[in-house]
This record gives sequence, structure tokens and C-alpha cells, in this order.
Amino acid sequence: QQQVKQSPQSLIVQKGGISIINCAYENTAFDYFPWYQQFPGKGPALLIAIRPDVSEKKEGRFTISFNKSAKQFSLHIMDSQPGDSATYFCAGYSGGGADGLTFGKGTHLIIQP
Amino acid sequence: GAVVSQHPSWVICKSGTSVKIECRSLDFQATTMFWYRQFPKQSLMLMATSNEGSKATYEQGVEKDKFLINHASLTLSTLTVTSAHPEDSSFYICSARDRTVEQFFGPGTRLTVL
Repeated sequence: QQQVKQSPQSLIVQKGGISIINCAYENTAFDYFPWYQQFPGKGPALLIAIRPDVSEKKEGRFTISFNKSAKQFSLHIMDSQPGDSATYFCAGYSGGGADGLTFGKGTHLIIQP
Repeated sequence: GAVVSQHPSWVICKSGTSVKIECRSLDFQATTMFWYRQFPKQSLMLMATSNEGSKATYEQGVEKDKFLINHASLTLSTLTVTSAHPEDSSFYICSARDRTVEQFFGPGTRLTVL
């Protein structure tokens, strides 16, 4: 599987601030880019996802920005809350869902009250 | 929403024994199920893809004779870790895909091999 590079590895944000996590991908066949949130000892939960024909998608406090030419996408969490403290993974896959996900290495986000 | 369950949630076994983990899609039919492995503080790595009624497709480096996958129905896939050793200790997570592109993850199974 080709890589999805994610940064930063860890992030500390004050309550009410904006959390920004960045990802870059290599595989141009990827046609779907989800973000997952994972709490310790739990499975990942889908937060928001985007297709490459869209430059931005917003759902509540979560926004994905997508730059197809640069092969980069990012997650913005507005008005970050302590309950957002978790590990976030970006991912990509191709084949209309027939393939498994290629995950980034994850970002450990801490929101300080 | 789509719900995926796993059983057991955790298991401790002795080295050399086999362990079976079940993954079920509770409220939808899953044509494809995936098995991932996650070591502490690391990302998820795809182990194999299974389609109902056919043999699983394993990722490079995953021993198919060690990690036996059976997808006998549209709602059940099983992963059997055969002759488990301490290095097989990990968090095993399944996901299931319905007719959309979404993958829904189970809660994971923590395997500890003594």
C-alpha cells in the first residue's frame, strides 16, 4: 500500500481554538478520503470524508480542505473542546470501496481546558 | 447507523493455542469485510480483505496460514490466529462495507498471548 503521510504526530490546542491536521498522499488512484477519530481501546469512528472532486466539506465543527493538485488534505476542528481529545487518522482508498484503507500514522490531539 | 460488533472484546491465551475472533455486521449486509491490526500507539495496518463466499486476499507480509479468515455469510467474518505467539499480541479491528463506499469499524479485540 502506498503511504499517506500525516502531521503533526501530536498536537496540543487550547479549548476554543482551531485544531489543524495535515495529510499528503501518493496514490493518485485514491478516490475517497475519510478521517477517523479513535479513543483509547476503541475502534475508529468515521468523522467526515471527502472525494477528490470537492475542495472543501464541512460538517458541524469539522471541515476537510482538499488540494488535488498538491495531493494534500487537511482536517480543521473549530472551537476545539476537551471531548475532542483523541487520536485522529486520515486515510485514503481506491476501488470504490473494494480496497482496504491506507491510514496515516495518526495525530494525538489534546485539548487543554 | 451501521453497527459492527466484534467478539470477544479481549482475550488472553497461552502461546501455541489458536484464537478465533468474530466480526458481525448487525444491521446491514456486508459484501466486503476487512481485518486490521494495530500495535500500541501505532496506526492501523490492513491485514486482509474478505468477500462473502470467496477466499480472503492478504496484504504482503501477512501469513495466510497463520491468520485464517472465513467470510461465510454477509454478516459474519472470522479471523483465527493459529498457533499464537507473544508477537501476535495486538489490537485486531474489523470493518465492514455496505453498498456504499463507507467502512464501519468494530470496537476491536485485544489479544494478549502469554
